[in-house]
Amino acid sequence: EVQLLESGGGLVQPGGSLRLSCAASGFAFGSNAMNWVRQAPGKGLEWVSGISHSSGSTYYADSVKGRFTISRDNSKNTLYLQMISLRAEDTAVYYCAKDQPSSQPFGVGIYYFGHWGRGTLVTVSS
Amino acid sequence: EIVLTQSPATLSLSPGERATLSCRASQSVNNYLAWYQQKPGQAPRLLIYDASNRATGIPARFSGSGSGTDFTLIISSLEPEDFAVYYCQQRSSSWPLSFGGGTKVEIK
Repeated sequence: EVQLLESGGGLVQPGGSLRLSCAASGFAFGSNAMNWVRQAPGKGLEWVSGISHSSGSTYYADSVKGRFTISRDNSKNTLYLQMISLRAEDTAVYYCAKDQPSSQPFGVGIYYFGHWGRGTLVTVSS
Repeated sequence: EIVLTQSPATLSLSPGERATLSCRASQSVNNYLAWYQQKPGQAPRLLIYDASNRATGIPARFSGSGSGTDFTLIISSLEPEDFAVYYCQQRSSSWPLSFGGGTKVEIK
């Protein structure tokens, strides 16, 4: 069974930093692209960042580019999201999500989100 | 950036009824569209990908159709556990990925 367990969320002041982790089990972590998706309180879903299986390619939403860094350690089956210069608008539940490839891919990269963790809440407030 | 517009915002139906949800893209995404279900306090769950492929374990009462800019999710006969919020998501050749704003299916 695929399991994704996020950790590292909490309360941080504007301008502060935080590192999220996602521990994965139940599948071949090193063979799958991974993502972070967030959801502000009472709002919809926003894709944040993705990373290829080998870390060779990383992808970011414009809203976090230059402030967030996605990485992974395949030896530890763990995905990370380093967040700096945090803003109030970054307040959200952050989900780790395993990529679901397309059945007819037109190229490499992230497609869909096949399995999700339960999320970790990040609150940016003074 | 491709914008996905979901309609209606809220759908009020009774168990056993048919639900029809719409997702319209601001430009063509071919068939690279997915649907997710989210219940309160839970993570989203993938239902449909590539517009019409059911994800593993998803009941046959869920079906997706469409291509280009217009897509539909149909729940043929609503079960009590189907009352939730549904999101569409696109993966076209132009970044970034994006989600629609959601449709809430509520009990009438």
